Amino acid sequence: GESVGLHLPTLSVQEGDNSIINCAYSNSASDYFIWYKQESGKGPQFIIDIRSNMDKRQGQRVTVLLNKTVKHLSLQIAATQPGDSAVYFCAENKGDYKLSFGAGTTVTVRA
Amino acid sequence: KAGVTQTPRYLIKTRGQQVTLSCSPISGHRSVSWYQQTPGQGLQFLFEYFSETQRNKGNFPGRFSGRQFSNSRSEMNVSTLELGDSALYLCASSPYIGPPEETQYFGPGTRLLVL
Repeated sequence: GESVGLHLPTLSVQEGDNSIINCAYSNSASDYFIWYKQESGKGPQFIIDIRSNMDKRQGQRVTVLLNKTVKHLSLQIAATQPGDSAVYFCAENKGDYKLSFGAGTTVTVRA
Repeated sequence: KAGVTQTPRYLIKTRGQQVTLSCSPISGHRSVSWYQQTPGQGLQFLFEYFSETQRNKGNFPGRFSGRQFSNSRSEMNVSTLELGDSALYLCASSPYIGPPEETQYFGPGTRLLVL
């Protein structure tokens, strides 16, 4: 079964607010994590990644935090925009040439 | 660079038929992976190929198979289709420059409907 899961299946955010999407993983051997965004009718789009030797990584308007002690991953989106409405997936890589995905969180941005 | 391309984008088949899906990776990428996405099961790993060799396979029946060609293009085949095979089939490519850098970039998918 899947070893990566998201805490909430849906998240409703006011435009301009910050969003936080959470993900818990169970395999402590995982060494690489990726966040993807999937819009309706499209394939998952790479957002940001982080290695297990890092705690935090920042991109454009996004930050990923990794807490290996509690096996928790989060994606923070600053100043959420309508174009951020999508399903967000976290994925982990254990070095076995595959990604294991969580169930996804559907983010809806309210105008 | 052009992204990952998948053909066809949409496909309707009937039970018992077989289907072949095609994937062209990003230029220079040698690793190609396939995933099945359904509302109930989410994204499930099918298999991964690198230099024409399958390196890992997910928990799917033998009806699901794949291959990779010398130009890194890949195909997957599903034989004796069942209704439950209706799904979005996603292909992803990776430069695979070595662990842990295994970022996978996805194509738009092939939507398969089995009637």
